[in-house]
Amino acid sequence: NAGVTQTPKFQVLKTGQSMTLQCAQDMNHEYMSWYRQDPGMGLRLIHYSVGAGITDQGEVPNGYNVSRSTTEDFPLRLLSAAPSQTSVYFCASSFGLGQETQYFGPGTRLLVL
Amino acid sequence: GENVEQHPSTLSVQEGDSAVIKCTYSDSASNYFPWYKQELGKGPQLIIDIRSNVGEKKDQRIAVTLNKTAKHFSLHITETQPEDSAVYFCAASYSSASKIIFGSGTRLSIRP
Repeated sequence: NAGVTQTPKFQVLKTGQSMTLQCAQDMNHEYMSWYRQDPGMGLRLIHYSVGAGITDQGEVPNGYNVSRSTTEDFPLRLLSAAPSQTSVYFCASSFGLGQETQYFGPGTRLLVL
Repeated sequence: GENVEQHPSTLSVQEGDSAVIKCTYSDSASNYFPWYKQELGKGPQLIIDIRSNVGEKKDQRIAVTLNKTAKHFSLHITETQPEDSAVYFCAASYSSASKIIFGSGTRLSIRP
């Protein structure tokens, strides 16, 4: 199993540009989520999904969109990038909610100029 | 909602000594407390977790303790080794929760 994969590993954007961060998992997990990691802020939940066709907002959803058309994929879209979105983004998946082990991808480092 | 505070933010210990990282949580309904280790350039990985029906759990050199009354839990690493250098995150959740709340992280450095 590849586990959780993320692409790209690193991206530079200009303010106002759009892009999609890709996330895929091959463990047949129902639950997937996106976090951003900033210095001193820990891991903050952006959006999550409890299954195909179902998504919900986390702590910091503004400026991001998600969709879940398949169990395997959970892309994160930035419609109009801002410097405040410079961060490291992690995708995670798990069998279920709450008390299940989260399996994280290797991360995408995003720089918005 | 749940809030998790983690201390210290950075910790440097001599190789072979012990390291302790502490977390407090706010929601008394929380009953699941995992700890994740993040090595440089990688995503976090679960290293140990504890549920509220036990007060302590050990796995070789790492242990976690939980004080439900005080709403705090701690990670203990004994006989530290260079490979223990990483960022450690505590987290809290409860059985029907749709999310896990993470602490702000502790950067642990092991001095040779």
